[in-house]
Amino acid sequence: EVQLVESGGGLVQPGGSLRLSCAASGFTLSSYKMTWVRQAPGKGLEWVANIKQDGSEKNYVDSVKGRFTISRDNAKNSLYLQMKSLRAEDTAVYYCARDYLYTYASRYYYGVDVWGQGTTVTVSS
Amino acid sequence: DIQMTQSPSSLSASVGDRVTITCRASQNIDNYINWYQQKPGKAPKFLIYAASSLQSGVPSRFSGSGSGTDFTLTISSLQPEDFATYYCQQSYITDMYTFGQGTKLEIK
Repeated sequence: EVQLVESGGGLVQPGGSLRLSCAASGFTLSSYKMTWVRQAPGKGLEWVANIKQDGSEKNYVDSVKGRFTISRDNAKNSLYLQMKSLRAEDTAVYYCARDYLYTYASRYYYGVDVWGQGTTVTVSS
Repeated sequence: DIQMTQSPSSLSASVGDRVTITCRASQNIDNYINWYQQKPGKAPKFLIYAASSLQSGVPSRFSGSGSGTDFTLTISSLQPEDFATYYCQQSYITDMYTFGQGTKLEIK
């Protein structure tokens, strides 16, 4: 069974740090681009970051640039999100997710096809 | 950045109704749009890619259409399990995905 399981969430003070982990199983992690998406309480989905299959390219939403770092260890089938200088507005459920590359009408499309159950990060004093 | 705007923000409908949700992109994204369904307390579920292609296992009552900047998600005959929040997402810029704000579909 294809599965993603996040861990590492919790309560942290403003300015603190936290490292989220995501364990992948049932598929070969190294074959897929991976993504973190978050959802603040009562709000919509926000894409946070993604990372290429070999880790050579990383992208971030503007609000986390310079504070968050996405990384992966394909040998350990794991994805990570290191979060520093945390703010109250970073409070959210963080989802680890897989980017799947589809072929349709001879063109290529990405879609986020597998999601973890989410881990909750609360930034509060 | 590409902004995605969904309408309506919420919608009340009955079982058996046909409903349509709209998503508008701030610039031309061709047909690089995905749709997701999310139920309370659960992770999103992937429904549609490339504007109109159903993900494996998604019921055929779901359909998508559009190209350029205007897109729709249609549910042809609402079932009880379809009451959820729906999100569009552009995949035109793959180094910065953006989601719409969501449309909450509620039971009338």
